[in-house]
Amino acid sequence: AQKITQTQPGMFVQEKEAVTLDCTYDTSDQSYGLFWYKQPSSGEMIFLIYQGSYDEQNATEGRYSLNFQKARKSANLVISASQLGDSAMYFCAMREGAGSQGNLIFGKGTKLSVKP
Amino acid sequence: DAGVIQSPRHEVTEMGQEVTLRCKPISGHDYLFWYRQTMMRGLELLIYFNNNVPIDDSGMPEDRFSAKMPNASFSTLKIQPSEPRDSAVYFCASSLAARGQTGVVGNSPLHFGNGTRLTVT
Repeated sequence: AQKITQTQPGMFVQEKEAVTLDCTYDTSDQSYGLFWYKQPSSGEMIFLIYQGSYDEQNATEGRYSLNFQKARKSANLVISASQLGDSAMYFCAMREGAGSQGNLIFGKGTKLSVKP
Repeated sequence: DAGVIQSPRHEVTEMGQEVTLRCKPISGHDYLFWYRQTMMRGLELLIYFNNNVPIDDSGMPEDRFSAKMPNASFSTLKIQPSEPRDSAVYFCASSLAARGQTGVVGNSPLHFGNGTRLTVT
């Protein structure tokens, strides 16, 4: 079974509107962390936001926020006020295991296109 | 503050040749990772090091792949002999161990280099 599932291969959003990118995860650990990365067409991987499994509040970083629903094992990324520069691939990733500092497991990604 | 530096950016080689990819992590980072990205398989972990010691190499495809980290500021990923199916983007990433966290997963993100695009013909 996949650890990280991103069900939307591609998404379109109108400039200045909000968009939600879906991510569900599978783990039996109580302690885990969820990360979102952006990969523009130039290829670099850019860290956006982090949510820990014990965090009581949803993470926010500027226009990015994480809709964390622990019981449903979902960690959806919300981008508010979309900009043309938000067009990119977006990857959800997980690190699992108490005390783990290591590896991230990545989903297959969602390609977001922002329309002017 | 320099990020993770990878070289070369692009590598084109013929099947059977040896390929060496290089990585300089961010100074002070404890962890170094090698990932491979392809359209079919996405981002896959190949190997990662903690304080220069390999921790998990279960993602290394086969004996043709080897990785070393002789010191805290340098790592190599070698493919010998290379095959067309090795064509991919290879990323190096590093991270800092989160301090003062016991019993919970670390919150340190991975910082990625710009990748090496390898084409084996």
